[in-house]
Amino acid sequence: EDQVTQSPEALRLQEGESSSLNCSYTVSGLRGLFWYRQDPGKGPEFLFTLYSAGEEKEKERLKATLTKKESFLHITAPKPEDSATYLCAVQEAGNTGKLIFGQGTTLQVKP
Amino acid sequence: EAGVAQSPRYKIIEKRQSVAFWCNPISGHATLYWYQQILGQGPKLLIQFQNNGVVDDSQLPKDRFSAERLKGVDSTLKIQPAKLEDSAVYLCASSKTGQGRLKDIQYFGAGTRLSVL
Repeated sequence: EDQVTQSPEALRLQEGESSSLNCSYTVSGLRGLFWYRQDPGKGPEFLFTLYSAGEEKEKERLKATLTKKESFLHITAPKPEDSATYLCAVQEAGNTGKLIFGQGTTLQVKP
Repeated sequence: EAGVAQSPRYKIIEKRQSVAFWCNPISGHATLYWYQQILGQGPKLLIQFQNNGVVDDSQLPKDRFSAERLKGVDSTLKIQPAKLEDSAVYLCASSKTGQGRLKDIQYFGAGTRLSVL
C-alpha cells in the first residue's frame, strides 16, 4: 500500500536558521512527488513537482530534492512569512491522478 | 484566472443531519477532486471526476456520502446523515486535461470546515 511519512511533525526555527523537512514514501511506481504549502484556513498551494531521482527544483528560499525513497524540502535563511504547514504527496504511475498525502510538517519561523 | 471556488466556508450541524458542499473548479479544468482533511492530517481523496463521470470513488463512504457533477462543471458533495467523525475540512481541487505534466498539478479551493456536534 502506498504510504507517505513526513518528519518532523513540527519545526521551530529562528529567522535565518536553515533546515530541511523530510518526506519518505513507499509506492509501487512513482509518477511524481508533490510539495504543497498550506496556510491556516486555506487550501494547499502548489510548490513543486519532482519526477525522477536526482531532480531538484528551487523557488525563492525553498529547494526540493528527490531520491528513490525520500524527498527533502530545504529552507535557506527562512523568514517569518515562510511559516506554514508543508505537505508532501505522491502520485502513483499509471493511476488516475490521485494524490496520497503525508500528514505535513508545521513550520514556525520566529523573528 | 479565478481559482477554485467553494461554499460555504463554514458549517455547523448536529449529528444525523444532512449537509451539502458546493465547488466550482477553474474554468476549463475537466478533472475535479474532493478531499477530506481531518485536523492534523493530510488530505485524503474521497472522489475524482473526469468531466461528469466518476474515475475513483473507492474511499467514499457510500452509505452516507454522495457526490455529483452534472454538466461536467461544478460539483456538490453531500453527507446524509452526518456523524461526529465527519468533522473535517472538505477540499475541492481541479486539474487540467490533455497531455503532459501540467495536468498533474491539482489546484485547491479554500475548503469548507464542517463541525458535527
